[in-house]
Formats: sequence, structure tokens, C-alpha cells
Amino acid sequence: KAGVTQTPRYLIKTRGQQVTLSCSPISGHRSVSWYQQTPGQGLQFLFEYFSETQRNKGNFPGRFSGRQFSNSRSEMNVSTLELGDSALYLCASTAGGYRTEAFFGQGTRLTVV
Amino acid sequence: AQTVTQSQPEMSVQEAETVTLSCTYDTSESDYYLFWYKQPPSRQMILVIRQEAYKQQNATENRFSVNFQKAAKSFSLKISDSQLGDAAMYFCAQTIIQGAQKLVFGQGTRLTINP
Repeated sequence: KAGVTQTPRYLIKTRGQQVTLSCSPISGHRSVSWYQQTPGQGLQFLFEYFSETQRNKGNFPGRFSGRQFSNSRSEMNVSTLELGDSALYLCASTAGGYRTEAFFGQGTRLTVV
Repeated sequence: AQTVTQSQPEMSVQEAETVTLSCTYDTSESDYYLFWYKQPPSRQMILVIRQEAYKQQNATENRFSVNFQKAAKSFSLKISDSQLGDAAMYFCAQTIIQGAQKLVFGQGTRLTINP
């Protein structure tokens, strides 16, 4: 069974640009969560989607958005990039029930210059 | 609100010895899960072990075991017979059962294995 796939693995963007990151969950998993990891703030929850609906959102500005497609693949978008958005963005998938663990992808390393 | 605290930024242990990583958490929920994740230099988060809050028995996975003290809100990880491949960042995390899948992580503990 293939794991969680995130693309691209690395990105370099300029301040003010926007970026879209993609996450393909494990086959059959319906929940996709996104996390931001930085040296200063650690791992922070961005949002979670289940069956194309956002169920929960972390404390991030509206520049961070996401969506989920009918095949459970998810994208997150960051508009008007700032230097502070440089981070490792991790995606995790779960089967969707409450009592299951999250499986993570290898992450997308975003650098804003 | 949920919080998870790891008070040891770094730990080191000799190969083949035992090490314990500490974690405390806070939640008002009665039903929740606790996890230890490992993040090696490859950056991929790997689940090490999980504990259901309603279970009194401590979880064990081969060389990894936890000491879950629900009243004290403590959840430590013990690694026995440490191996060089155990070197990584270790994160303690919690999720509540109700609502969306949302993990709250501690700050992490960097574990070094000395040969």
C-alpha cells in the first residue's frame, strides 16, 4: 500500500507570490490534515479535511487555505507569501474514524526569499 | 485547551542502554489518544507508539514502552537496548476523540545515541 505522497518536495518562492502544495493520502483514507513545522514554533495544526469538508482549522491567517477533492487528495494554498511562511509543511492522513493514528508524508520544504 | 510539554530539549544515551523521554499534557477531555512520533533526518514523521486514555495498561511495541499516568497527565517513553537507528527527534502528541483529527505536539526531544 502506497504511503502519503506530498508534492513537490522542495519549493523556493518569492515574497508576495502564492503557492499550492499537494497531498495524496493513503488509499481509502478520507481525512487529511496539514501541519506547519518551523524551528521557532514547532509543529502547528493548520486544518483538516474529511470528505471534502473542512472540519477544523488552526490559528493561521486567511492567507492559508485548503481544499479536498472527491478522491481525498488535498491541496493547501498560501497566498501573498511572507518570509515567515518558510517551513516544512506536513500532510497526514487517517482512515477517518476517531480512533486511528495519522500517517505522515515526507513533507514539502518551502523557502520564501 | 490542549497543551503538550516536553521538558527535555536534548537527551543522549549509550548504545544498548535504556533512556526515558518525558512528556506531560493537559486537557479537559476525558477521552483522548496519546502518541510518540519519531522524526529522523529524512523529516518523515513515524509513529512509534500510541496509548488510548481509557486503557490502564501501558502500551508496548518491541523495545518501546510508555509509562502512562493519567491522573498526573504524564506520558513518558522508554527505549530499551538503544540502537544507532533510534537517533531522531521524538515528539509527544495528543488528539481528542471528539471532533476533527487534530494532533497537538510537544516541542520535541532530540535523542542522540553514542556508540
